[in-house]
Amino acid sequence: NAGVTQTPKFQVLKTGQSMTLQCAQDMNHEYMSWYRQDPGMGLRLIHYSVGAGITDQGEVPNGYNVSRSTTEDFPLRLLSAAPSQTSVYFCASSWTSGSTDTQYFGPGTRLTVL
Amino acid sequence: KQEVTQIPAALSVPEGENLVLNCSFTDSAIYNLQWFRQDPGKGLTSLLLIQSSQREQTSGRLNASLDKSSGRSTLYIAASQPGDSATYLCAVWVGKLIFGTGTLLAVQP
Repeated sequence: NAGVTQTPKFQVLKTGQSMTLQCAQDMNHEYMSWYRQDPGMGLRLIHYSVGAGITDQGEVPNGYNVSRSTTEDFPLRLLSAAPSQTSVYFCASSWTSGSTDTQYFGPGTRLTVL
Repeated sequence: KQEVTQIPAALSVPEGENLVLNCSFTDSAIYNLQWFRQDPGKGLTSLLLIQSSQREQTSGRLNASLDKSSGRSTLYIAASQPGDSATYLCAVWVGKLIFGTGTLLAVQP
């Protein structure tokens, strides 16, 4: 298994540009989520999904959109990038949202918005 | 609102020392608590998961305890090695993960 994969690894955008961060997992996990990691603030949840066709907002959803058309993929879209979205983005997945399920994280995407 | 705090923010120890990392949370209504390791520029690797009904979990040189009533967890690392150098993050699961800001551990050879 490749686990959780994320592309790209690095990205530089100009303010106002749009892009999609890709996340895929090959473990047939139902639960997937996106976090951003900022210095001094830890990881914060952006959006999550408990299964194909079902998404919900996390702690910091503004400026981001998600969809979940398949079990494997959970892309994160930035519609109009802002410098405040400069961060490292992590995708994670788990079997379900149950109490015994370990979260598996991807390697991250480092995004800079100029 | 659930808040997770980790103290200290950074720790430097000589190789071979036993050490304890601390994690505290403000709301005891959690499903589990998880400890992760993050190497520089990398993703998070799960170390231990303690369900809310459990008191501790062990994996090799790592032992994590959970006291839900006092809102505390500790990660004990025995006989530390330079390869243990990383940032250690704790997170509580309440249907989503809420993270602490981590402890940066440096083990000096």
